[in-house]
Amino acid sequence: EAGVAQSPRYKIIEKRQSVAFWCNPISGHATLYWYQQILGQGPKLLIQFQNNGVVDDSQLPKDRFSAERLKGVDSTLKIQPAKLEDSAVYLCASSKDPGQSSYEQYFGPGTRLTVT
Amino acid sequence: EDQVTQSPEALRLQEGESSSLNCSYTVSGLRGLFWYRQDPGKGPEFLFTLYSAGEEKEKERLKATLTKKESFLHITAPKPEDSATYLCAVQFILTGGGNKLTFGTGTQLKVEL
Repeated sequence: EAGVAQSPRYKIIEKRQSVAFWCNPISGHATLYWYQQILGQGPKLLIQFQNNGVVDDSQLPKDRFSAERLKGVDSTLKIQPAKLEDSAVYLCASSKDPGQSSYEQYFGPGTRLTVT
Repeated sequence: EDQVTQSPEALRLQEGESSSLNCSYTVSGLRGLFWYRQDPGKGPEFLFTLYSAGEEKEKERLKATLTKKESFLHITAPKPEDSATYLCAVQFILTGGGNKLTFGTGTQLKVEL
């Protein structure tokens, strides 16, 4: 079974520029998550989708971050404009229907973003 | 406020030297507690889920236990390949439905020969 795919793996941009990350979840997983992981910290949930709908985006800085999940499969996360403090690893994860007993989230390799 | 605290922040062990990592939490409406392993440059890898106090799960040299306020990850006779950051996360129910994971900051484990 293929895992969660993310691209690009690395990205360097200047502040005030825009950037987009792509995620393809595990086939059949209804729920998709975007996390931000700053060096030395645990992942912080930015947004959670179930199929096409947003379940939780309470920690998404909506003035600069946006995310979409078209057709309930792939997702993109965009930052515009980027700030220095956005430098982090952006992780995508997916899980089966969270209403079921199995709620394990499976993570992709992440995209390391450096904002200069 | 929901909090997840892991200790120690870093741990250095000799090969074969058993130890435990701690994860304490203050969460209302806890549904589950998860342990993940994260290697440098990679995403977290799922290890265990615990749902109720008294529950235990094992995988190779790792054993996870859960009480009402904390969880322990016991590492028995560790090997250098067990070196990684171990993350704890708690699952709780969102007000509007659905579930959410809140992660701790992790314990960075280094096992030396």
